Order: sequence, then structure tokens, then C-alpha cells
Amino acid sequence: DGGITQSPKYLFRKEGQNVTLSCEQNLNHDAMYWYRQDPGQGLRLIYYSQIVNDFQKGDIAEGYSVSREKKESFPLTVTSAQKNPTAFYLCASSASGTAYGYTFGSGTRLTVV
Amino acid sequence: KQEVTQIPAALSVPEGENLVLNCSFTDSAIYNLQWFRQDPGKGLTSLLLIQSSQREQTSGRLNASLDKSSGRSTLYIAASQPGDSATYLCAVHAGNNRKLIWGLGTSLAVNP
Repeated sequence: DGGITQSPKYLFRKEGQNVTLSCEQNLNHDAMYWYRQDPGQGLRLIYYSQIVNDFQKGDIAEGYSVSREKKESFPLTVTSAQKNPTAFYLCASSASGTAYGYTFGSGTRLTVV
Repeated sequence: KQEVTQIPAALSVPEGENLVLNCSFTDSAIYNLQWFRQDPGKGLTSLLLIQSSQREQTSGRLNASLDKSSGRSTLYIAASQPGDSATYLCAVHAGNNRKLIWGLGTSLAVNP
């Protein structure tokens, strides 16, 4: 079945550590996105990529980094510069064009310990 | 600036009721609108996608309508079941950068 796989499901980060969240899709979608979800707030866009080897900052990119070396993969690194990283992170993808909707992964819950 | 509002924020109904969830947006220049469902601690599941040229979409007990001129969409759930309990989110796709603008969601509880 086609879909988006996020791993790990739960991740714990120590102070000062960088961690990387994985997102893989087999939908042949060109565009991929990373969102952050906090209780009581709407989804906020961190980074997005519309094509391989290209990506743009979203609304809250500070303290995060991404790469898009393969069409199928869009990993997100939460760096030590992100002061409040505890949140639920969601990856999504979509086909090119405005006629298509988004497909989401199951999410990664990151906790600072 | 596009803003999306969902009312009510929370809803509790007895099993079997038909119900309507509302989503309003401030700018009618949209490409499409998508309804999602999110169970606690889970990712988002796409329910219905309505293109800007469409008036409604149906999937099983779900029906979503779109009225661009008034900036409103409704999600109608027929014969609600306890398994429908979840948070329902609507998102509007607008702008050249393919960004989705999100509402805060409606938390639905269907009581047996």
C-alpha cells in the first residue's frame, strides 16, 4: 500500500542534542512538508519541498533543518538551537498542482528530557 | 491574509444524531478545501477534498459542502457513531506556494 512512513514514533532528546526525524513516502509525490503540532494551536509549517534538491522555510523554521536528496525522503533535523522542541511532528506529501490534497504520516512525538 | 475558523471548538452528541461541523475562511480565492480527521496521538486522515469549482463531495456517511462566495464549508456526518469521536480539521489551500491554512479543529465526542 502507498503511504507515508514516519519514524520513530516516539523520540527523546537531551538538552544540546540534535535529533533527526525520518519521513519516507512511496506515493511518487513531488512535494513534501513538515508540520509541528502543539496542544491548543493549529498546525504550523516548518519546511516544505516542492522538488528534489530544493526546499523552502515555512512559518517556524528557526532551529530546524531539512534535506531533500531523494524524491521519497524528507528528513527533519531538530537542532540544539530549537529551544522548545517538545511537540508532535507531522510529515505530509502531495502531488504537483493545485488539484490534489495532502497525505499525512502517523507522526513523531518528540520529548526533551 | 487568509484565516480559517472552525465552530464549534467542541461538540458532544448522543449516538445516532446527524451533525454539522463548520469551517469558515476569509478569502474566497482558494484552490481547494480539505477535511481531515485526527484521533488522539495519531496522524491526520484525509476525509474529503473539495475543489474550488465543486459544491460538495460525499464519502459514505460524510458529506462536505463548499460555498466560496460566503467563505464557508460544512462537514455533515449522518447517523453518528462512537467511532466518529475524533478531532476534525479543515484546511484551505491558497496561494502560489501551496501552503495550507488550518483551522484549530472541532473535537467531537459521540456518546453511546
